Amino acid sequence: EVQLVESGGDLVQPGRSLRLSCIGSGFTFGDYSLSWFRQAPGKGLQWVGFIRSRASGGTTPDAASVTGRFTISRDDSKGIAYLQMNSLKTEDTAVYYCTRGLLFAELWGQGTLVTVSS
Amino acid sequence: EIVLTQSPGTLSLSPGERATLSCRASQSINSNYLVWYQQKRGQAPRLLIYGASNRAPGIPDRFSGSGSGTDFSLTISRLEPEDFAVYYCQQYGSSPPYTFGQGTNLEIK
Repeated sequence: EVQLVESGGDLVQPGRSLRLSCIGSGFTFGDYSLSWFRQAPGKGLQWVGFIRSRASGGTTPDAASVTGRFTISRDDSKGIAYLQMNSLKTEDTAVYYCTRGLLFAELWGQGTLVTVSS
Repeated sequence: EIVLTQSPGTLSLSPGERATLSCRASQSINSNYLVWYQQKRGQAPRLLIYGASNRAPGIPDRFSGSGSGTDFSLTISRLEPEDFAVYYCQQYGSSPPYTFGQGTNLEIK
């Protein structure tokens, strides 16, 4: 089965860091660019950033809202992508989705909840 | 940054009826790079339409997308019970960030 599974969501205090993971299976992970989106409780969707496949350069432009605090990386040998989140703020509270695709999400994971609160 | 405005915010219809959802952009979207997603309560979104009018694999043909420039729409020709959900449009026609509309809640009347 083709799927993405996120993990790592947790309750963290403001200012702390958290790393989310996304494991892909059922497809050749390294052939695809990956994106992260998020959805605050009861709110709409927001693009966070993407990382290209190695063949497409593997670069990572980040969304303006999280530039400088969030970093996306990947380990194609393990079929895992990461979202490193630093200096977390209460407004970062959301379900974070890992998706397959460069510009839009053709495949979504089930999401992992990050709660930033003191 | 391109702002997408979806209308209506809530649409109340009955199964079997036709639904038309609108997505308007604050500036023209390059090459009609617009997608539609469906999100059911408690679930991740699902891709329905890409490139404004192309159905994603496995999406029933009662779903269709149209439009260009700044005005786009999603039409569901005959509503099935499983179609009642929230629908989002997203543009990817300009430099990041790739923005979303605020969503249309399609509810059973």
